[in-house]
Amino acid sequence: DSGVTQTPKHLITATGQRVTLRCSPRSGDLSVYWYQQSLDQGLQFLIQYYNGEERAKGNILERFSAQQFPDLHSELNLSSLELGDSALYFCASSVGDPNPVGGYTFGSGTRLTVV
Amino acid sequence: GENVEQHPSTLSVQEGDSAVIKCTYSDSASNYFPWYKQELGKGPQLIIDIRSNVGEKKDQRIAVTLNKTAKHFSLHITETQPEDSAVYFCAAPPLNDYKLSFGAGTTVTVRA
Repeated sequence: DSGVTQTPKHLITATGQRVTLRCSPRSGDLSVYWYQQSLDQGLQFLIQYYNGEERAKGNILERFSAQQFPDLHSELNLSSLELGDSALYFCASSVGDPNPVGGYTFGSGTRLTVV
Repeated sequence: GENVEQHPSTLSVQEGDSAVIKCTYSDSASNYFPWYKQELGKGPQLIIDIRSNVGEKKDQRIAVTLNKTAKHFSLHITETQPEDSAVYFCAAPPLNDYKLSFGAGTTVTVRA
């Protein structure tokens, strides 16, 4: 167990629907990062939060949004889902800001399948 | 932003042989270079990292080397074992940025 908890582990939904992915960071970590990993693709950065505030945005679609709550857990909302959104979504956390010294700790991911 | 290139994309080695994966980065200000291992069905796990003020770091059968002049760093796995079979990712953050840019990954297969 890495200490980063992601739920649900698997999600199957239809096109056009909306889903919410949840992440609880490792104890003591203030930064949360969301990454998308499509089949045979690398890790694409989506968005980062630090202590409740948005810090950085990557190639995140307008249909996607995220937030970090006062208890530091984060949620990634995906709406108007398309087949191409099927992927593994990883959450990672770190202590450091701005530089992720010590690296990230990743959760086990949520596998989203859009049918 | 940081651009990280990783080679090779796949690597097959005989058990007991060495494996080397190389990454190049674009931002000369980058100062932290981690390596992650991702096993099937799991999230990436940090296995070793190096700071820019160090040229080499070892941890048992794993080592990372850094050449700041050439802007590349490499992962070396010696005496490979079947449990080393996984996808390996290198990463680098630009200075004062909050995100890691990852390489495309290397699928390592250790043949028994």
